[in-house]
Amino acid sequence: SAVISQKPSRDICQRGTSLTIQCQVDSQVTMMFWYRQQPGQSLTLIATANQGSEATYESGFVIDKFPISRPNLTFSTLTVSNMSPEDSSIYLCSVGRYSYNEQFFGPGTRLTVL
Amino acid sequence: GQQLNQSPQSMFIQEGEDVSMNCTSSSIFNTWLWYKQDPGEGPVLLIALYKAGELTSNGRLTAQFGITRKDSFLNISASIPSDVGIYFCAGQWGYGGATNKLIFGTGTLLAVQP
Repeated sequence: SAVISQKPSRDICQRGTSLTIQCQVDSQVTMMFWYRQQPGQSLTLIATANQGSEATYESGFVIDKFPISRPNLTFSTLTVSNMSPEDSSIYLCSVGRYSYNEQFFGPGTRLTVL
Repeated sequence: GQQLNQSPQSMFIQEGEDVSMNCTSSSIFNTWLWYKQDPGEGPVLLIALYKAGELTSNGRLTAQFGITRKDSFLNISASIPSDVGIYFCAGQWGYGGATNKLIFGTGTLLAVQP
């Protein structure tokens, strides 16, 4: 499995501001995904980060709120824009390869919005 | 978003006991994955299942892909304190591309008393 790191590991932010979360993988991967885990809840997919093209967002998530970049096969960023306390969650990236179904997760970014 | 029904929601057991949990869906899946999440960490993949009826073991863990393809089961034998955590099932429809996205279960919290 790949080694996945996320930065920052945690942050406390003021409402109305934006935070960019980075996901770095130690090897090239085809698929990268971003998930949200609200307090005490399960994981919900935000979007699939596509290399060289716009991300594919799930129902309920929009690009203006969660812009995503994926400039190459080892790196992606998720921005949480114009934050409110409801955005307080753990944000996780995961990676997989195109023809394999297994996904591996990063350690997560714990975000608190005041 | 869609979630899978996972039961039980929580379990409080004595060290040495066996544990069973299951996951059910209204949709069929081609892959079932089981993850464990420790506090402050990302989910770690435990077992992956690819065929209906498949039974796969990983140490003291055994998981099965239900015949109907709408359910999966995870058993832990002779539990130990480090088994404590939240266990998630995840289902996947396809074999590549955007169909790699995972739908997660609601989670089972396991507490083990020494």
